Amino acid sequence: GESVGLHLPTLSVQEGDNSIINCAYSNSASDYFIWYKQESGKGPQFIIDIRSNMDKRQGQRVTVLLNKTVKHLSLQIAATQPGDSAVYFCAENGSSNTGKLIFGQGTTLQVKP
Amino acid sequence: DSGVTQTPKHLITATGQRVTLRCSPRSGDLSVYWYQQSLDQGLQFLIQYYNGEERAKGNILERFSAQQFPDLHSELNLSSLELGDSALYFCASSGQAASTDTQYFGPGTRLTVL
Repeated sequence: GESVGLHLPTLSVQEGDNSIINCAYSNSASDYFIWYKQESGKGPQFIIDIRSNMDKRQGQRVTVLLNKTVKHLSLQIAATQPGDSAVYFCAENGSSNTGKLIFGQGTTLQVKP
Repeated sequence: DSGVTQTPKHLITATGQRVTLRCSPRSGDLSVYWYQQSLDQGLQFLIQYYNGEERAKGNILERFSAQQFPDLHSELNLSSLELGDSALYFCASSGQAASTDTQYFGPGTRLTVL
C-alpha cells in the first residue's frame, strides 16, 4: 500500500552542525512533497515543499532534495540551532487528486548545545 | 501561529460518549482537513471539505462524521467513543482543494477517553 517512511527515528547533532533528515516514499505518482516540523504540544508547522518537476529547493537555512529515481526525499538544515529540536515529518500527496497527505512516521531531531 | 484555530485544546470524556471538535480555517481558505495523530498510527488523514462539500475521505470510522458550515468553520463529531480514539486531532486548511496546496495546521485538540 501507500507509505512514506523515515530512515532514522532519532537524529542527534551538535549545535552549529548541519542536519540531514531522510525520507523514502513509495508512491511514484506523488508530485508534491512537504516537510513539517512539530514541536512538543503544537501542531505540524510547514517548513518547505517541493514539486516533482524540481530536484532541489532552498529556503532559509533549509534545503529539500528530491530524488525521484530512488523515491527519496531529504531535508537539510544548516547551522542547526537548539530551536530546531523537534519531530520532522515528510508528507506526500499520493495518487489522489485531493488534498489528502500521507505522512511519514517522523524523525526526532535533538540538538546538543 | 498558523492562523488555524481549534477548540477545545483538551477534552476528557468517557467511553460511549460523543464529542464535537471545532476548527476555524485561516482567513480566505476554503478547504479544511482533519487528521488524527496517535502514537501507534502517526498522522492519519481523516477527511477533507472544500467550500462546504466533502472532497475526500480517508480511513475515517463510521462513528466519526464532519461538516463544514457556510462560514467555512468545520466540526468533527466523534461518537460511541472508545479508548482507542484517544489521540490528537488536528485541523488544517488551505486556500483551494488542489493536491499541491500547502496545508497549515492548527494547534490540535487532545482527546482522552477514559
